[in-house]
Amino acid sequence: DGGITQSPKYLFRKEGQNVTLSCEQNLNHDAMYWYRQDPGQGLRLIYYSQIVNDFQKGDIAEGYSVSREKKESFPLTVTSAQKNPTAFYLCASSVAGGTNTGELFFGEGSRLTVL
Amino acid sequence: SQQGEEDPQALSIQEGENATMNCSYKTSINNLQWYRQNSGRGLVHLILIRSNEREKHSGRLRVTLDTSKKSSSLLITASRAADTASYFCATGPGSGNTGKLIFGQGTTLQVKP
Repeated sequence: DGGITQSPKYLFRKEGQNVTLSCEQNLNHDAMYWYRQDPGQGLRLIYYSQIVNDFQKGDIAEGYSVSREKKESFPLTVTSAQKNPTAFYLCASSVAGGTNTGELFFGEGSRLTVL
Repeated sequence: SQQGEEDPQALSIQEGENATMNCSYKTSINNLQWYRQNSGRGLVHLILIRSNEREKHSGRLRVTLDTSKKSSSLLITASRAADTASYFCATGPGSGNTGKLIFGQGTTLQVKP
């Protein structure tokens, strides 16, 4: 089945540690995105990538890093510089980005808790 | 930056009733999309309406778009308990190649059996 796979589903981190969230898609989509969702709130864009080897900061990129070395993979690292990392993280992809951004396909999310 | 403002924040209705959710936005858009999220899950795309369209239907869903008022509404007819979820509007960029979909805060819908 085509789709987006996020792992792990649940992750616990001690303060001061970096953690990496995995996002893999087999939809052959060019664009991929990382969003953060806090309880009772909407989604805020962390980073997005419209093509391999290129990515742009979203609205809340501080304390996060990404890479896009392969079309199907867009891992997100939550660094120790992110002061309040406890949240639900959602990865998504779309056929294209830019002004033609259409439907986003989402993974099931990764819930990160800082102990 | 949050583009969409959704109203109401929460809505509780009986099964069989219609549910209406509204979304307002601030800047020009290329398209507006509605998504559904069940608790603790990822979002699922429901419907996309382009800026040159005024109304769109998909099954029990009806979406309207008024670009002069910068607002959209989602109507779910004959609601079912399974429609219980959060619903989000998202706006696609109207100019520039930003590639950013901006989401509203969402409306939490509870449908009582």
